[in-house]
Amino acid sequence: SQTIHQWPATLVQPVGSPLSLECTVEGTSNPNLYWYRQAAGRGLQLLFYSVGIGQISSEVPQNLSASRPQDRQFILSSKKLLLSDSGFYLCAWSRQNEQFFGPGTRLTVL
Amino acid sequence: AQSVAQPEDQVKVAEGNPLTVKCTYSVSGNPYLFWYVQYPNRGLQFLLKYITGDNLVKGSYGFEAEFNKSQTSFHLKKPSALVSDSALYFCAVFRQAGTALIFGKGTTLSVSS
Repeated sequence: SQTIHQWPATLVQPVGSPLSLECTVEGTSNPNLYWYRQAAGRGLQLLFYSVGIGQISSEVPQNLSASRPQDRQFILSSKKLLLSDSGFYLCAWSRQNEQFFGPGTRLTVL
Repeated sequence: AQSVAQPEDQVKVAEGNPLTVKCTYSVSGNPYLFWYVQYPNRGLQFLLKYITGDNLVKGSYGFEAEFNKSQTSFHLKKPSALVSDSALYFCAVFRQAGTALIFGKGTTLSVSS
């Protein structure tokens, strides 16, 4: 069966510090991968999606970036965090018109 | 452009009563519609989907949803609510087949005992 992992589960970072969130999927190959952000427990905003290694589509211009160095690994990064980057970050993968979500990372920028 | 609307921020029902969480959509072509549930500080869990076929779709935990093409709606329903159903519910539509989901703002369901 397929599983999706995210780490860390929670993170507290100062403004201006770098960020690296990791997502890995097990049990499938060549998945579409996604990063979403959820602010204040409400709607989800699509940040990035990837259909293959090295292929990244950015949905919202901001100080975040994404990379896909391996087939089942998706990384969300920032060089300098802003207060507005705080939120709940969800990674997802899709198969046959279904999306499956990871447990999420709670990021607090102080 | 594809979009999803959840007109209610919050729905409150008493345990044992039926519940409905509303969702309307705007898509070009055939819609791929989904419902997800989120418990506090957790990821989203898939409840059910409509791709094609019967308009009444049955999903996890006793939930079902009715696809209504003429009203462009996909309301989530359950005949008898449980306190444990209290959570945040999201309706979503695939932007294009195989790409990303577009989510509604979410509806908080509160079931009182």
